[in-house]
Amino acid sequence: AQSVTQPDIHITVSEGASLELRCNYSYGATPYLFWYVQSPGQGLQLLLKYFSGDTLVQGIKGFEAEFKRSQSSFNLRKPSVHWSDAAEYFCAVDPHTDKLIFGTGTRLQVFP
Amino acid sequence: DVKVTQSSRYLVKRTGEKVFLECVQDMDHENMFWYRQDPGLGLRLIYFSYDVKMKEKGDIPEGYSVSREKKERFSLILESASTNQTSMYLCASRGGSIVGYTFGSGTRLTVV
Repeated sequence: AQSVTQPDIHITVSEGASLELRCNYSYGATPYLFWYVQSPGQGLQLLLKYFSGDTLVQGIKGFEAEFKRSQSSFNLRKPSVHWSDAAEYFCAVDPHTDKLIFGTGTRLQVFP
Repeated sequence: DVKVTQSSRYLVKRTGEKVFLECVQDMDHENMFWYRQDPGLGLRLIYFSYDVKMKEKGDIPEGYSVSREKKERFSLILESASTNQTSMYLCASRGGSIVGYTFGSGTRLTVV
């Protein structure tokens, strides 16, 4: 079945540590790929997106993501996490159907 | 920047009431969407619209309807609210370019 999978429901890291949030998709053709962040009580903010070209994408707030076609993955990374990064992160895909399909989200907790 | 405005941040309604959630965008976007967000389930697409008076069912349309009489406004209607419709509702819009899915701040609906 076509889907977007975020296998980690909850991740806890120490401030200053590196971070990787996983996202896998199962669609026939490479979809458009997105990462969004949602802070408590806030709406969704776009971190970065991939449509084509360079497979390493830079986003806002120091985040980057790498598209790996062979693994159908689009993992989000940050080299050094700040306490303000604590939020829920959503991977989303547009499989060329003009609608956005979301994963179930990963909640990030940051310890000082 | 595109702005997507949801008229209410918080709503409390009684079981059986007819509920209207309003969404307005200010950039003449063709595509508009209604999502429902629940813990552990991510965002799920309820309905979307490609143009005025056009609507398409998403993944969870049961118990909902929509109205798009003007291009800038997309309304979600709960014909007879039930407690299992207590949730966060997010509206989004997208123009012709794939670049911009823009989300509103959400309406947290509680049905008692």
